[in-house]
Parts: sequence; structure tokens; C-alpha cells
Amino acid sequence: DTGVSQDPRHKITKRGQNVTFRCDPISEHNRLYWYRQTLGQGPEFLTYFQNEAQLEKSRLLSDRFSAERPKGSFSTLEIQRTEQGDSAMYLCASSSQQGAGTEAFFGQGTRLTVV
Amino acid sequence: AQSVAQPEDQVNVAEGNPLTVKCTYSVSGNPYLFWYVQYPNRGLQFLLKYITGDNLVKGSYGFEAEFNKSQTSFHLKKPSALVSDSALYFCAGFTNAGKSTFGDGTTLTVKP
Repeated sequence: DTGVSQDPRHKITKRGQNVTFRCDPISEHNRLYWYRQTLGQGPEFLTYFQNEAQLEKSRLLSDRFSAERPKGSFSTLEIQRTEQGDSAMYLCASSSQQGAGTEAFFGQGTRLTVV
Repeated sequence: AQSVAQPEDQVNVAEGNPLTVKCTYSVSGNPYLFWYVQYPNRGLQFLLKYITGDNLVKGSYGFEAEFNKSQTSFHLKKPSALVSDSALYFCAGFTNAGKSTFGDGTTLTVKP
């Protein structure tokens, strides 16, 4: 088990382009989280999946953002029509289904730069 | 609404001295509180958690944290700091609904 894997690690894109990030959670984990982290701030919750069901979405997740977890395994986060304000580190985490008291394991993140 | 605050952006201690990194929370219901550490170019790593029970919880690398309900605090502590403890520390609260809130982080610098 190699932990939570995120791809790509870095992405530079032009404003207005669409980008998609992938997260592969730890294999037996059925909870998956996406966060956005900007410099000097803690991770901001974006969305949460339990298996393939997207159970919570933050208001930060505008209509340009969408996340999927089609088979309850890997997940994708897509940002359409990127803006410079989308530049951030996007983090994925997973945990086993033992309630909110179960610790989440984080990937190393995808750093997005919108130019 | 849930919030977590880390009142100190930076904490500096000398190696061998005790350290405290502060966290206060505001959550409805029973809080699930966590501490994570982030080293440069590494993902966040779990240190310890409080769910219920004993107010003093012990975690990785000799760290511990004390849950104080009356003061709504969950301060991270270590009796004797190491230079290798220098990193960015985050306090977080999770809910059963899957939402989570992180503090803005505290940079711990341990000087030899």
C-alpha cells in the first residue's frame, strides 16, 4: 500500500482552460475528501464522498468545480474555465468507514498554477 | 457552524524545552479533534485525535494533546522538543456528516 496518490503533482494552465486532477485513495478506504489549500492557510474543505456518493459539498465549490467518484475507488476533481484565483494546492484524503473519529490520510497534493 | 482557531502563527522553542501549540474549537455536538503535521514537500501526517474518553491523548513522535471542554481547547504538547519537530502543525475538527475544518496552521521552529 503506497498511501493516497494524486496526479499530477503540478499543473500549470492558462486562464480559461479546464483541468482535471485524479486521486487514488488507500484501497480499503471508502471515505474520500477534497480540500484546497492556499499559502498561509489551512486546508479548506471542498467535498466528501462515501463510496460513490457525494454527501457534502462546500459553498467554495462553485459551479465551475465538479468532483466524481464513479466506482467508489478513485476520484477526479475538474475545474472548468480556470481563473487565477483557483491557483492553490488541491489535496485529497481518504479514511475508512468508522465514523468521523477515523483519521484521514492525505496525499501530497496537486499544485495548480493558473497563468 | 464549526470553526477551529490556532491563535499563534509561529512558535519558537529551544531544543529540550517543552512545547505547546494552541488550538481552540467551536463545534456543535461532540467534537472530533485532530492534529496533523506537514513537513516541506510532504503530505499532511496524522499525529493524534480526540474522540471521547480520556482528555489526555497520546500520539506519534511523543506528542500529546489535552482536550479541555470548559475552555474549548485542544492544545498540542510535547515535554521535550527536538529540532526535527520543526514543521507546520494543523488542528482540525471533523463532523459525522463528513465536513471538516482546519485551523490556519502554526509553524513550529525548534532551535538547537
